[in-house]
Amino acid sequence: IVMTQSPATLSVSPGERATLSCRASQTVNNNLAWYQQKPGQAPRLLIYGASTRATGIPARFSGSGSGTEFTLTISSLQSEDFAVYYCQQYNNWPPITFGQGTRLDIK
Amino acid sequence: QVQLVQSAAEVKKPGSSVKVSCKASGGTFSRYTISWVRQAPGQGLEWMGGVIPSFGTANYAQKFQGRVTITADESTSIAYMELSSLRSEDTAVYYCARDQNYYGSGSYLYIFDYWGQGTLVTVSS
Repeated sequence: IVMTQSPATLSVSPGERATLSCRASQTVNNNLAWYQQKPGQAPRLLIYGASTRATGIPARFSGSGSGTEFTLTISSLQSEDFAVYYCQQYNNWPPITFGQGTRLDIK
Repeated sequence: QVQLVQSAAEVKKPGSSVKVSCKASGGTFSRYTISWVRQAPGQGLEWMGGVIPSFGTANYAQKFQGRVTITADESTSIAYMELSSLRSEDTAVYYCARDQNYYGSGSYLYIFDYWGQGTLVTVSS
């Protein structure tokens, strides 16, 4: 299953909303996770089951979608949110597949 | 608190092999999948394969089939990833990652809740 994220880069001002998209080449039901990665760090699980926040993840992060179309929304960007975000399907494996990532930059 | 601690960075010659370790602490080792995910410089995440320590059998991405071996030692709570026939394109940071759900829980597998710190493998002549 090929995962395609858009846009590749998103420039948003602090305090504004960011919307990131992820599309699967075939249905993954709601078996979709989102990760955040900062430079020099391992990825961090944000969302699983398309919309369930992982432990300790702030409420400004929300996920939606099912089937082939998914969205990660960050409602009010904080400085620490500027990072690269990856979606990942775990519905059909092997292989587990990730999107190519969306870089969220400060505008 | 679960922690995954990986072995140190490696520099290898083309054609050789590398074996990276991942020691787990703070949780039950045997029934949670451990996967290996790599990231080439400036690139995205790529799943290589995973193992359930209590079963010992591993699943691999077809791309790496025949070149990668993932194992786990329950007695020491260490997982290993060995990659052979190294080429320059294998230069990457290699991460181990543990599943959120244990095998047999009835929940989906391969949601990566815990990650190691990463091991840089450089392949250069």
